[in-house]
Amino acid sequence: DTGVSQDPRHKITKRGQNVTFRCDPISEHNRLYWYRQTLGQGPEFLTYFQNEAQLEKSRLLSDRFSAERPKGSFSTLEIQRTEQGDSAMYLCASSLNGANYGYTFGSGTRLTVV
Amino acid sequence: QQPVQSPQAVILREGEDAVINCSSSKALYSVHWYRQKHGEAPVFLMILLKGGEQKGHEKISASFNEKKQQSSLYLTASQLSYSGTYFCGTERIGNQFYFGTGTSLTVIP
Repeated sequence: DTGVSQDPRHKITKRGQNVTFRCDPISEHNRLYWYRQTLGQGPEFLTYFQNEAQLEKSRLLSDRFSAERPKGSFSTLEIQRTEQGDSAMYLCASSLNGANYGYTFGSGTRLTVV
Repeated sequence: QQPVQSPQAVILREGEDAVINCSSSKALYSVHWYRQKHGEAPVFLMILLKGGEQKGHEKISASFNEKKQQSSLYLTASQLSYSGTYFCGTERIGNQFYFGTGTSLTVIP
């Protein structure tokens, strides 16, 4: 078990460009979450999947953000027409299904929009 | 809806104890605790479910008072490795999971 993997670790993009991040969860975990974290703040919920179904999406998430989890394995988070306010650490986490399980986080993708 | 943690920051000498509190304005189903070191991802410490239980993890333990919608994290005989930012995470039945405002803990020799 190699934990939760995220790629890339860092991404610098120009405003207006599209970016896509990938997350590979722990293989037996059927829940996958995306969070965004800015400096000095706690992680902010974006969306989560149970297997391939996207069960919840934050109302804070604009239409520029979309996430997929084909076949219930890896997940991608795409941000279209990036804005400077999108600069943040994007964290992926996975867990087993059930109330007794905590989240295992990946190392995150740091996005800088210039 | 974000739970509020107190204190915001605390500095301890090695061997001292600390308590971090997490309060929610809504009824809770479960509380998680995580520690995040600078530049790293949050690491899961423990989870407490509705039922007022208390759990321990080495010298770190936590309690959950569902009536008061509060949880507390207890760190005893602190070590340098305990330094980091501690986040509670709260879940209400059928709702999103929210992380708290965070508590920065610094342990000095």
